[in-house]
Amino acid sequence: QVQLVQSGAEVKRPGASVKVSCKASGYSFSGYDINWVRQATGQGLEWMGWMNPKSGNTGYAQKFQGRVTITYSSSMTTAYMDLSSLKSEDTAVYYCARARNVRGTITTAYYFDYWGQGTLVTVSS
Amino acid sequence: QSVLTQPPSVSGAPGQRVTISCTGSSSNIGAGYDVHWYQQLPGAAPKLLIYVNSNRPSGVPDRFSGSKSGTSASLAITGLQAEDEADYYCQSYDTRLSGSMVFGGGTKLTVL
Repeated sequence: QVQLVQSGAEVKRPGASVKVSCKASGYSFSGYDINWVRQATGQGLEWMGWMNPKSGNTGYAQKFQGRVTITYSSSMTTAYMDLSSLKSEDTAVYYCARARNVRGTITTAYYFDYWGQGTLVTVSS
Repeated sequence: QSVLTQPPSVSGAPGQRVTISCTGSSSNIGAGYDVHWYQQLPGAAPKLLIYVNSNRPSGVPDRFSGSKSGTSASLAITGLQAEDEADYYCQSYDTRLSGSMVFGGGTKLTVL
């Protein structure tokens, strides 16, 4: 069965960086994009970016451009999300999610069919 | 402020039917991009509920249904059950800001 298992909770100081991992199993890792989505306490979901493990291509939400880097290790079937210059507002649960790219009504539809369990990142001085 | 607008909360009694709206614009839903829905139970990760407007993944009860028209989409839940109490999010694609996935702000469903 498809599983995405994320690394454990992190506590960081403002200005530091954090790297969260997402270990995939139960499917062909190179066949699907991995995306990262975060959720501050009591808030909604916020998309951060994606990466394709076959091509190595990545894309980031404009809000996080220059601060976020998504990488992967095919041999380890693991994706990583690196967020730098942390601020208190970055305190949130970070999720990885597998994406499906299918024929939609008019154009390609892109959605998230499996999610990791989430990793709490706390930024505090 | 989310790109897709959802009501903050809805409620209904067990057995009733509720709907949750998701309103977008000409740069996302109105441009033809499909809508997907997720259910997030308390303390859990989101779970895919509806994809490409009206399709249910295997295992999702047919009490859940989705539709899309114009610049909006809707999630309907019939025969409400206590275990349906959760947050619900819509998601689509937006052409602004170099193109990105966007979520609604979420709707808290309370089963009375």
